[in-house]
Parts: sequence; structure tokens; C-alpha cells
Amino acid sequence: QTVVTQEPSFSVSPGGTVTLTCGLSSGSVSTNHFPSWYQQTPGQAPRTLIYRTNIRSSGVPDRFSGSIFGNKAALTITGAQADDECDYYCVLYMGSDIWVFGGGTKLTVL
Amino acid sequence: QVQLVESGGGVVQPGRSLRLSCAASGFTFSSYGMHWVRQAPGKGLEWVAVTQYDGSKKNYADSVKGRFTISRDQSKNTLYLQMNSLRAEDTAVYYCARNVNAMDVWGQGTTVTVSS
Repeated sequence: QTVVTQEPSFSVSPGGTVTLTCGLSSGSVSTNHFPSWYQQTPGQAPRTLIYRTNIRSSGVPDRFSGSIFGNKAALTITGAQADDECDYYCVLYMGSDIWVFGGGTKLTVL
Repeated sequence: QVQLVESGGGVVQPGRSLRLSCAASGFTFSSYGMHWVRQAPGKGLEWVAVTQYDGSKKNYADSVKGRFTISRDQSKNTLYLQMNSLRAEDTAVYYCARNVNAMDVWGQGTTVTVSS
């Protein structure tokens, strides 16, 4: 069974840049996986940041960007702010109407 | 505005059934596929099920296949998740989400607790 991998945790300094990744236990992530990224603060529903690899959802600041970086999908946050500290999830489309989430990355801004 | 509101969660004993609802508004419900996604306490997001815009195709995560059924009532703009043979590991917040290249709009979630 394919596993979607994310860094369990990451740290960034205020104002800094961080790149979170989303990979596969077997194979490479491509645009055909339609990678999407979600932000979630404790007790809240997820918020869509990026879909279809690099399209920002409505209202999402351009500090957030998506890409394919090597064999993984990537979410880059530039100019990190204190309220960026939360959990980030990616999801990949595996075909045949199956989606798989990554385990999530807990981002710390300090 | 586009809105999804889940309901139907609660405490249920193992082996029993529960039906969740997701009321959609602010968009043409019958034009969009819909997902259910869940999150166990302290854990990450888990995709559960999807239905196409017209209900013609559905699919499920292996963890719920054969026990859960996703359906929709276009006349009521409502998505459902029928959950049978519930287990302790089904305890989670259940979210419905609109399918636009994955999940674009999310509801606020409804909590299901499976416990004796």
C-alpha cells in the first residue's frame, strides 16, 4: 500500500522561508497526482491552501506557493509569520477515485 | 456563500450504526463530487469516501469499505455517510468537503465517538 510521506515536524524563524515536502513511499509525485495542501489549526477544520500542484485557493496570500521539487510535491512559505505555526497536510490523487493524505507536518515558527 | 454543515455525530456503541449528513448551500450541489474525510483524536487527516457529482461512482478507503456507504440526495442538497458495524477506531471528527481537484471547501466537522 502506497504511503504519502511528510516531515513530521519542521521549524522556521520568523520572516524565514521553509519548504515542506510530500512524497511517495514508492515512486515520484507528479502533477498527475494533483497534489493539494491544507493548513489546520487545533480544533478547526482544514483550510485549503494550494490545489492542483500550484494554484492558490481564494484568499490565500502569495507567501504560500506550491511546486514539484525533485520527486516530491512542495509547499513553500516565504516570510513566515507566527500564525503560520500549525499543521500542514498534503493529499495526492492515486487514480481510480482514491486519495491519500500524508501524515502531516507540524510547523513551528520560532 | 459556499457552505457545508455536517450533523448526525454522537456517541454510539461498537457494532451499531450511525448516519451523518452534510447540508450544502451557496453552490450547485448536483454539479460537484463530494468527499468524507475524518480525523481521529490527535491524528492526521484520513480520506474516507468520495462520490461523483451524480452519485454514479463511489469509492472508499480500505479501512471502511463494506461498512460505510456514501450517498447524496440532490433534491435536498445533502450528502450522507451511512456507517455500519462501527468500531472504536472509527472515533473521529468527520468532515465533508467539496471535490474540486481534491478538497476545496470543508465543513466544520461532526464528532463520532464509538464506545461502550
